[in-house]
Amino acid sequence: DVQLTQSPSSLSASIGDRVTITCQASLHIKDSLNWYQMKPGTAPELLISDVSKLKPGLPPRFSGGGYGTHFTLTITSLQAEDIATYYCQHYHSLPLTFGGGTKLEIK
Amino acid sequence: QVHLVQSGADVKKPGSSVRVSCKVSGGPLDDFSFNWVRPAPGQGLEWLGRFLPILGVAYYGPKFQGRVTITGDKATNTVYMDLNSLTSEDTAVYYCAKAERAGYYLDIWGQGTLITVSS
Repeated sequence: DVQLTQSPSSLSASIGDRVTITCQASLHIKDSLNWYQMKPGTAPELLISDVSKLKPGLPPRFSGGGYGTHFTLTITSLQAEDIATYYCQHYHSLPLTFGGGTKLEIK
Repeated sequence: QVHLVQSGADVKKPGSSVRVSCKVSGGPLDDFSFNWVRPAPGQGLEWLGRFLPILGVAYYGPKFQGRVTITGDKATNTVYMDLNSLTSEDTAVYYCAKAERAGYYLDIWGQGTLITVSS
């Protein structure tokens, strides 16, 4: 099974900061990676599919990159509404697995 | 637009079973696949399994194999997740999530169902 390791597990940043979250896969998974945002008390929401495809309607300050085993989610200018926990998820093979999450807070 | 509405919260005794439903509107079950996911404290999100209605087949996460069953009823456009041999560690919010039939990005989610396992 593919294991996904996210770093950092928590992050405190200021409004307007550039934030980068990393997701490391235990196997080479090509471009089979998605990102989700989960706010307290709500269901996860798809942010990015296939490494870099932003879900329509979401702000372009979110972007994804990477290939193989190393992936990133970047928020170019942090906004208050971005406070959430972020998860990566692979689909290289079953079982699907998620990363441990990165909890993003405002400094 | 596809919309998923899950059944309400429930309290179960250890050793018992639970069924959570996910009512789908906005398209026939056969057009999609459905996954079940739950948060695990300190471990991120856990994938319980995936159901492909057009084939009537399900795939399960190794941790839940033998304990979870995912099925669907095309007449009512509803997907079900049954989990048995419950323990306190199964206390969680359970989410159903839709993907495209051959896809694996979970683009539409239900509102979640809190299952509490307590004696």
